[in-house]
Amino acid sequence: AQKITQTQPGMFVQEKEAVTLDCTYDTSDQSYGLFWYKQPSSGEMIFLIYQGSYDEQNATEGRYSLNFQKARKSANLVISASQLGDSAMYFCAMIPGTSYGKLTFGQGTILTVHP
Amino acid sequence: AAGVIQSPRHLIKEKRETATLKCYPIPRHDTVYWYQQGPGQDPQFLISFYEKMQSDKGSIPDRFSAQQFSDYHSELNMSSLELGDSALYFCASSSTQAGQVAQPQHFGDGTRLSIL
Repeated sequence: AQKITQTQPGMFVQEKEAVTLDCTYDTSDQSYGLFWYKQPSSGEMIFLIYQGSYDEQNATEGRYSLNFQKARKSANLVISASQLGDSAMYFCAMIPGTSYGKLTFGQGTILTVHP
Repeated sequence: AAGVIQSPRHLIKEKRETATLKCYPIPRHDTVYWYQQGPGQDPQFLISFYEKMQSDKGSIPDRFSAQQFSDYHSELNMSSLELGDSALYFCASSSTQAGQVAQPQHFGDGTRLSIL
């Protein structure tokens, strides 16, 4: 069975600084997808970034980048130039195997950005 | 760009009542997923449909059922509601590509169900 672990229940960062949210995963599948989602206090679940297990380059989407270290089974999210609107819950998630499959989520990290 | 549409956004029911949640996936997405998120919890997978056929089933109570219709919209039917069913229910959709690594699922804004 697959498992996602986020060891940081809460993180604080100063506005305009960078922050790294940790995520480790466990799966026996060779093919899998790794995802980060943002959930603001209003409740919606916003897709941020995706990394496929065979992707050799780290994924980037604007201010978000994914530090993918396959041998260590880690997929940390890096947010550069933090903004007040980045304050939210962040979930790391995985789908093992190919094609369609259910997302398995980590416990989440609450990020608070201070002005 | 079109997103996943869920209705209603909020729903208040009493114990033992029934509820129906609706989901309209992103156009041309062939797979629909339902998740339940309790207070302070991560989302838990309930059920999924690929091309209108049930493709996977998670921890969905027998009191719940779901289906996907010919126009690809999906409905989650919940009966004999209990206090513990109070949660945020998400629908998500994705475009699957056979043999390729799993693709992102895009979520609707959720239906917040409160049982009194």
